[in-house]
Amino acid sequence: GQNIDQPTEMTATEGAIVQINCTYQTSGFNGLFWYQQHAGEAPTFLSYNVLDGLEEKGRFSSFLSRSKGYSYLLLKELQMKDSASYLCAVRPLSGGSYIPTFGRGTSLIVHP
Amino acid sequence: KAGVTQTPRYLIKTRGQQVTLSCSPISGHRSVSWYQQTPGQGLQFLFEYFSETQRNKGNFPGRFSGRQFSNSRSEMNVSTLELGDSALYLCASSPSSTGNNSPLHFGNGTRLTVT
Repeated sequence: GQNIDQPTEMTATEGAIVQINCTYQTSGFNGLFWYQQHAGEAPTFLSYNVLDGLEEKGRFSSFLSRSKGYSYLLLKELQMKDSASYLCAVRPLSGGSYIPTFGRGTSLIVHP
Repeated sequence: KAGVTQTPRYLIKTRGQQVTLSCSPISGHRSVSWYQQTPGQGLQFLFEYFSETQRNKGNFPGRFSGRQFSNSRSEMNVSTLELGDSALYLCASSPSSTGNNSPLHFGNGTRLTVT
């Protein structure tokens, strides 16, 4: 099975940098997703990491260490609209199932 | 390209009733997955359909069922509703159910309230 941990809530100030961590334990690993979900809306895809290292996409970057079972999402130059829940999801590789398992999400609150 | 469409957006039902939720995937996407989202448990996988066949199933009781039609549209049904079934039900589509890098594309969900 899979076990995914991420902080429940974080707060940060507009213009700052915030790092949201995700640790996982899984039998077989085929990649890690990050999704953003605003209240009352659908989760939207942010990034997908398969190999170790940092992937940068504008203000958002995602890092993966497979040996440590660890990932983080880095948000730079925070804006008020970044207030949302951030979901970490692991895609396993076991028994032919590629269905991602989601963490419970980190609620990020950005203050002016 | 239209996104994933779920109907209805909101539903209020009473205990013991049954409910059917609908999902239309992105055109060309053949895999449809269903998730239940609650504040306490987060996103919990219900089942996945691909080419009208259930390919994967989560740990939910048999009261939860689904199907997929030849046009890839999917429905899920919950019978004998319980208060604990109150949740946001999310549908997600992707081009394939095989191991590739395709992310899930989610609909806005159906908010079900059971009273």
